[in-house]
Amino acid sequence: ETGVTQSPTHLIKTRGQQVTLRCSSQSGHNTVSWYQQALGQGPQFIFQYYREEENGRGNFPPRFSGLQFPNYSSELNVNALELDDSALYLCASSLAGTLSSEQYFGPGTRLTVT
Amino acid sequence: AQKVTQAQTEISVVEKEDVTLDCVYETRDTTYYLFWYKQPPSGELVFLIRRNSFDEQNEISGRYSWNFQKSTSSFNFTITASQVVDSAVYFCALSVGYDMRFGAGTRLTVKP
Repeated sequence: ETGVTQSPTHLIKTRGQQVTLRCSSQSGHNTVSWYQQALGQGPQFIFQYYREEENGRGNFPPRFSGLQFPNYSSELNVNALELDDSALYLCASSLAGTLSSEQYFGPGTRLTVT
Repeated sequence: AQKVTQAQTEISVVEKEDVTLDCVYETRDTTYYLFWYKQPPSGELVFLIRRNSFDEQNEISGRYSWNFQKSTSSFNFTITASQVVDSAVYFCALSVGYDMRFGAGTRLTVKP
């Protein structure tokens, strides 16, 4: 059974640029959720994708967008990067398209915006 | 709005001591789920337990136990006979529908 993988591991971008982060869900999981974790804080829910549709969103602006593909892998896109976007971005996969089930997290992508 | 408070920022214990991590939550909904996750230095969160709001039964899993009390809106986590490998940041989380909130985490250091 393959776990959740994320790429890249680290990324450095300049303010105003755009970035795409990728996530492969655990085998058999049809739901992917994305979280932002600033240094020293708990993860904050960005959004969730279930069967290629966004079905839940946290308090993040529209410049945070995503996609889910037929194989249930997912992308997180962030436009017009700001310094405060520097964080660890975590992807989690699960079953059932809700936030009430056990989630399996990937190792994260560390994004630094300069 | 939902909220999770983990008042203990850092805890340090010596191996074999028992330690309790506190979690207090706020929600007006009657249906919700509570979680504990462990985040070791590698970064990925590891699921430990899930509880729904209708199940107040306490749970024990090896050295881990959880005490869910709706009357005090608390979901505390106890590690018995702590080990160095328990050193990590522990997060309590609350989900209500499509809203998921994590606490700020408690960093546990277990010294040999």
